[in-house]
Amino acid sequence: DAGITQSPRHKVTETGTPVTLRCHQTENHRYMYWYRQDPGHGLRLIHYSYGVKDTDKGEVSDGYSVSRSKTEDFLLTLESATSSQTSVYFCAISRGLLTDTQYFGPGTRLTVL
Amino acid sequence: KQEVTQIPAALSVPEGENLVLNCSFTDSAIYNLQWFRQDPGKGLTSLLLIQSSQREQTSGRLNASLDKSSGRSTLYIAASQPGDSATYLCAVGFSNAGGTSYGKLTFGQGTILTVHP
Repeated sequence: DAGITQSPRHKVTETGTPVTLRCHQTENHRYMYWYRQDPGHGLRLIHYSYGVKDTDKGEVSDGYSVSRSKTEDFLLTLESATSSQTSVYFCAISRGLLTDTQYFGPGTRLTVL
Repeated sequence: KQEVTQIPAALSVPEGENLVLNCSFTDSAIYNLQWFRQDPGKGLTSLLLIQSSQREQTSGRLNASLDKSSGRSTLYIAASQPGDSATYLCAVGFSNAGGTSYGKLTFGQGTILTVHP
């Protein structure tokens, strides 16, 4: 398995509170991605990073921000959590080559009450 | 909008049957297509990757084909086993006008496969 960990694995929080999810990799891959997975929607890209301090928005970025100060860490922040952000969040990494797959972390289940 | 659709949404078959999962996409400008497997409560595991210049890829009992002109891919599973029960996801890497895709993927909603003994 690719060396990807996500923390926390489970979190319950209240509407309006800030939440930060962490993705950590030991593979030194350049590209990192945050997805959310919801019934009926599949996986949707939130934000991605193509290097340290280089990030960009994905399909569903509203309400989320990210930061990448080190190659190995990619943080996803919900500035003020809402119930619509209840989801399972997956981090993925890739070398970004045409022949490369993405390797996924185990996911974080977030519940916003 | 670039979209990926998977049919059927769910499939139940007896053990030993050969089966086909379908994936269609709206834009033929792709750089690769990937098939993943997801077990309940787990992350995704890559099964096969087909580059845009390829027509098919094989791994064991799995064979994936790609027809860019029609916007279709199929995943063929031979001699299915109960251990194949999982959700199968198709993901497409669409090329952008600038030629830089950053490895981004667009996923279908998946096919839930159940193989019963």
